[in-house]
Parts: sequence; structure tokens; C-alpha cells
Amino acid sequence: DAGVTQSPTHLIKTRGQQVTLRCSPKSGHDTVSWYQQALGQGPQFIFQYYEEEERQRGNFPDRFSGHQFPNYSSELNVNALLLGDSALYLCASSFDILGWTGELFFGEGSRLTVL
Amino acid sequence: EDKVVQSPLSLVVHEGDTVTLNCSYEVTNFRSLLWYKQEKKAPTFLFMLTSSGIEKKSGRLSSILDKKELFSILNITATQTGDSAVYLCAVEDRGTGNQFYFGTGTSLTVIP
Repeated sequence: DAGVTQSPTHLIKTRGQQVTLRCSPKSGHDTVSWYQQALGQGPQFIFQYYEEEERQRGNFPDRFSGHQFPNYSSELNVNALLLGDSALYLCASSFDILGWTGELFFGEGSRLTVL
Repeated sequence: EDKVVQSPLSLVVHEGDTVTLNCSYEVTNFRSLLWYKQEKKAPTFLFMLTSSGIEKKSGRLSSILDKKELFSILNITATQTGDSAVYLCAVEDRGTGNQFYFGTGTSLTVIP
């Protein structure tokens, strides 16, 4: 049973560029949440996708956008990269039960470095 | 302000010691509290505590939830070097659409 998979694992970009991160949820899960984890900090909620719609959004600018596909996989896009976007981006999947997110299962993350 | 506060920020103990990690929270409408262990990248799930399950135990790890005082503790007995990790606490808030808020974590180092 494959867990949550993310790609790429590491990437380096320069300021102003755009990046796309990908996530495949755990088998049987229908909800994908994205988190940003800066060094020495806890994960910060970016947004959550359910039924191909953005259901909830944290305190992140519009430069951060996402998408969920019919197979429940998801992408996170970040435009106009800033140095402060350097972080570990974690994808978490879960199974929605009447709007309850439930237990989060995390992927290994994508380490983004912006130079 | 921070909705989830963990303490201590870091801890160094010797193998065999018992440790207690703290997590206090303040959310609009509590649904659940989760504990995770993060060694390198992916946080791995430890426990979920809710109104209907305020005490959990698995091997040397145990956790309780005090909904009245708004805190939880994670206990690890007979610590081993493999317990060295960052322990994260997350709280789900129904008031903000079931969003999870994470603390900054407690970094535990167990030395032989």
C-alpha cells in the first residue's frame, strides 16, 4: 500500500521563477492538504483540496495556488518566488468523513531552495 | 498569536530516562489533537486524541488530553536513541473549517 508520494524531493530555483510540486495521496484518501515548514518551525497550513476544489486556505498570498485532479493527486504552484519561500513543502492526505479531515498522513516533502 | 504552544523547545536526556512533552492550545472549536514524530522529513503519526478518546498508549509512549485546561502531554518512558526526533503537536479547529494548527515542536535528543 503506497503511502503519500511527493516529487521532486529537492529543487533549487532563483527569485522570480515559478515552481510546481506534485503529490499523490495514500490509497483510499480523497483529501490533500499542503503545508510549508520553514527550518526550525512547525508546518504552516497553505490550503486543502477536496473534490477538486480548494476547501480551506491558510494565510498565504495568491502566489500560492493549487489543483486537485480526478484521481485525487494534487499540485502546488508558487509564482514569483521569493527567498522566504525556501522551505520544506509537505503534502498530507486524509479521508473526508462528513467534512472531518481526520488523521493526516504526510509525504516525505519537497525541499525548495530559492537563491 | 500562536494557537498551539509546545514546551520545552528542546530536551537532551540519557537513554532510559522518562520525558514529558507539553502542548497547550487555544482554538475556537476544538475537534482533535494529534501528535507526530518527525525525524528527517515526513512527520509520522503517533496519536489522535478527541473528546471521546482522551488517553492513548502505545508501547513506551502515552498521551493524555485535558480539554478543560486545554493541554496535552506526551510521555516517553525508558527512552532510546531511536526516540531522538522533533515531536509535533497539531490541533484541529472546527471554527476554521477543520484546519490543523501545528506547534513549533520539541526537539528531543537521547544520548547513550
